[in-house]
Amino acid sequence: AQSVTQLGSHVSVSEGALVLLRCNYSSSVPPYLFWYVQYPNQGLQLLLKYTSAATLVKGINGFEAEFKKSETSFHLTKPSAHMSDAAEYFCAVRHPTGGGNKLTFGTGTQLKVEL
Amino acid sequence: GAVVSQHPSRVICKSGTSVKIECRSLDFQATTMFWYRQFPKQSLMLMATSNEGSKATYEQGVEKDKFLINHASLTLSTLTVTSAHPEDSSFYICSAPDTGGDGYEQYFGPGTRLTVT
Repeated sequence: AQSVTQLGSHVSVSEGALVLLRCNYSSSVPPYLFWYVQYPNQGLQLLLKYTSAATLVKGINGFEAEFKKSETSFHLTKPSAHMSDAAEYFCAVRHPTGGGNKLTFGTGTQLKVEL
Repeated sequence: GAVVSQHPSRVICKSGTSVKIECRSLDFQATTMFWYRQFPKQSLMLMATSNEGSKATYEQGVEKDKFLINHASLTLSTLTVTSAHPEDSSFYICSAPDTGGDGYEQYFGPGTRLTVT
């Protein structure tokens, strides 16, 4: 079974500062990994995904993440935070071949951006 | 990108009544849809996998008789919360896998906020 752990339920950064949201995974095989963003009372929007191609993945809104097998990590970064980035972020994992497209989500990280 | 809609966006019902939530894929066909529930400030928990034309597959611990799922067409899945109680109050979200793109993405509906009084 796959799982993801998101360290830090709340992260606060200043506008313009680096954003780093941590995600570590557990899987018997290299999984597919995803980052989603959720704004209040809304569904989830895909930021980016890793599906065994390039290990450095660029997504929407200036976000990127790097798959590091040796560290079993898939941390999300953005060089310069914007006020509009304030939201809940979820890391999710999926088995590359089995599991029927099921996603397992981490517990989420609430990002706060301050002036 | 593909769009998934949910209706209603918010619903308040009395304890003991049933509530139906619809999930529609607007511009693509979805043979499979997923239903999640999310408690305040918590993650999404998969409840069940809805399969068009066949029975839904429920996750462990989810009462199939309480959460009835019907996937009667390739664009519509419904979740009915039967005999709702206050502890069923939650945010329910559906998703459908991308069948036209690279196959890895899931498209999520905007969610339905259920409040049982």
